[in-house]
Amino acid sequence: DTEVTQTPKHLVMGMTNKKSLKCEQHMGHRAMYWYKQKAKKPPELMFVYSYEKLSINESVPSRFSPECPNSSLLNLHLHALQPEDSALYLCASSQAPGPRNTIYFGEGSWLTVV
Amino acid sequence: AQTVTQSQPEMSVQEAETVTLSCTYDTSESDYYLFWYKQPPSRQMILVIRQEAYKQQNATENRFSVNFQKAAKSFSLKISDSQLGDAAMYFCAYRRGNNAGNMLTFGGGTRLMVKP
Repeated sequence: DTEVTQTPKHLVMGMTNKKSLKCEQHMGHRAMYWYKQKAKKPPELMFVYSYEKLSINESVPSRFSPECPNSSLLNLHLHALQPEDSALYLCASSQAPGPRNTIYFGEGSWLTVV
Repeated sequence: AQTVTQSQPEMSVQEAETVTLSCTYDTSESDYYLFWYKQPPSRQMILVIRQEAYKQQNATENRFSVNFQKAAKSFSLKISDSQLGDAAMYFCAYRRGNNAGNMLTFGGGTRLMVKP
């Protein structure tokens, strides 16, 4: 079972709204990732959590706030987003943070900011 | 900084035939990993194949194989007996082999179309 589950699959929000994207895995993985993917572009890394601690923040604006409540869950809290933040947000996980560990992706959450 | 280049934005192949997708990368590291990911219309990124740089033998997974040329920094993907389900966006990716290797660096992608 290599499943990473993301909810919701689609989200439309206004620029003043507060919403959250959720990601869950039950593979016992201890590293979790958020990627952002614009249309016809490759994914870009946003955040990495290793053993429930934020280890990498790729200079992401503070209107995106990640949270890792436990080893199975990863949230991305959204507030005061801009239309240019509309994209596919991909969650991923790996058994451990190191490069020998394969990264498994979820199906993504489509976000539209209006 | 590492860069990954996929020079073919689109490729097409006839069903049951063979197609090769190109990827080149630039790095000063000697220890690293290379990957091909497939992204079908469902948008989930699916790992197709991985190659450790220290291994000389080319990786193979069923109909998928790579031609890894370390000196040339080239990592092409060959798909044999192409099937309609192979139609997708294919991304080549690089990951450093040391403790800082938490980031996947992706190429720009190649859209593969499979003609029946």
